[in-house]
Amino acid sequence: GAVVSQHPSWVICKSGTSVKIECRSLDFQATTMFWYRQFPKQSLMLMATSNEGSKATYEQGVEKDKFLINHASLTLSTLTVTSAHPEDSSFYICSARGKVGTKGDQPQHFGDGTRLSIL
Amino acid sequence: GQSLEQPSEVTAVEGAIVQINCTYQTSGFYGLSWYQQHDGGAPTFLSYNALDGLEETGRFSSFLSRSDSYGYLLLQELQMKDSASYFCAVRSFMFSGGYNKLIFGAGTRLAVHP
Repeated sequence: GAVVSQHPSWVICKSGTSVKIECRSLDFQATTMFWYRQFPKQSLMLMATSNEGSKATYEQGVEKDKFLINHASLTLSTLTVTSAHPEDSSFYICSARGKVGTKGDQPQHFGDGTRLSIL
Repeated sequence: GQSLEQPSEVTAVEGAIVQINCTYQTSGFYGLSWYQQHDGGAPTFLSYNALDGLEETGRFSSFLSRSDSYGYLLLQELQMKDSASYFCAVRSFMFSGGYNKLIFGAGTRLAVHP
């Protein structure tokens, strides 16, 4: 099945640092990538959707200047948490999807997630 | 907007059968998915229903009724390893952006006891 790789799996850094998380589709072309955030014992909240080569669409309440998303190729999207603070500590999960009707379209697969801890 | 409702917790014993219900409200409905997530892990796909009816995959089955905006996940022959959170997720089409996205319910924590 389609595979999505996310890196790094765990980040601990100081407040004020910017952190970049990578999401790769390994065996299909991901025309759309999604970034989710999950707090302990809560649901996955969609942060933004990005289509290859275009600007990301952010969900209401998500600061686009805080969470920079780049989807420069059909296999790679990055999320950069800029000037991270303790309240940004969370579990960030990416998901990638291919063109309708192609491998990677359904089901929607997820990366293993990145646990971000800001001290 | 979209909203999904599912029970917050379910408890069962090994070997039993459990049904987790999900009701949803959304525009541009594409389909209903179910995901399993163990503590500390990423969501794992279980099933997807785009059309009404029952989909069976091993011990897990999923049902959808689009007219009732309702679905359920049925877990049979429960095992201890099935203890996890189960999320229903609606795939809905965003007319303004021309794409579809997956929105998750709050999740149901299933505890399986010996």
